[in-house]
Amino acid sequence: RKEVEQDPGPFNVPEGATVAFNCTYSNSASQSFFWYRQDCRKEPKLLMSVYSSGNEDGRFTAQLNRASQYISLLIRDSKLSDSATYLCVVNSSRGKLIFGQGTELSVKP
Amino acid sequence: DTAVSQTPKYLVTQMGNDKSIKCEQNLGHDTMYWYKQDSKKFLKIMFSYNNKELIINETVPNRFSPKSPDKAHLNLHINSLELGDSAVYFCASSQLPTGSGYNEQFFGPGTRLTVL
Repeated sequence: RKEVEQDPGPFNVPEGATVAFNCTYSNSASQSFFWYRQDCRKEPKLLMSVYSSGNEDGRFTAQLNRASQYISLLIRDSKLSDSATYLCVVNSSRGKLIFGQGTELSVKP
Repeated sequence: DTAVSQTPKYLVTQMGNDKSIKCEQNLGHDTMYWYKQDSKKFLKIMFSYNNKELIINETVPNRFSPKSPDKAHLNLHINSLELGDSAVYFCASSQLPTGSGYNEQFFGPGTRLTVL
């Protein structure tokens, strides 16, 4: 079983749609969680950290369920510029970041 | 005012050659990393240095040797290149080591290595 699992997609959605990505992780001792965004042929960049109480940043909402070892990202009112791969990232108990394979999002006009 | 820079951006070479990739960060961070992203897009850590000291060394062939001359630089030397080494290699840095909770990593633009 992979340490961090994501549906690779692609998710094809129209502008203005709401889209949700899910991610599961296997190590219950993991302490911190993130969503990174990677544009085609570019480097990953931090989108947002994911806190236990859930957190929101504009159109983006992240949730963490420690009991189910599950992380989600919700994007409201999708823009063309949201098209990218979204990487679920978990800080393992051994002090390294474990990246999921990424979920590809394509927002169409 | 590039934060994390890598050279070269593209590297095409023959099997068996030795090559180096250089990385520099001007963020004043203490920790630097090398990652490999393969054709299936998985990003995996290879090495991590904190203040020039190796702290993470994943199961990587010993043909790969990182070198940190100072805390702003982390270079990667690869001996006897193989076809399977073809990938994108990303350098990254963070203020604190990864184990320090919510600690953002900043990535360089990547080096696309193709071994023929």
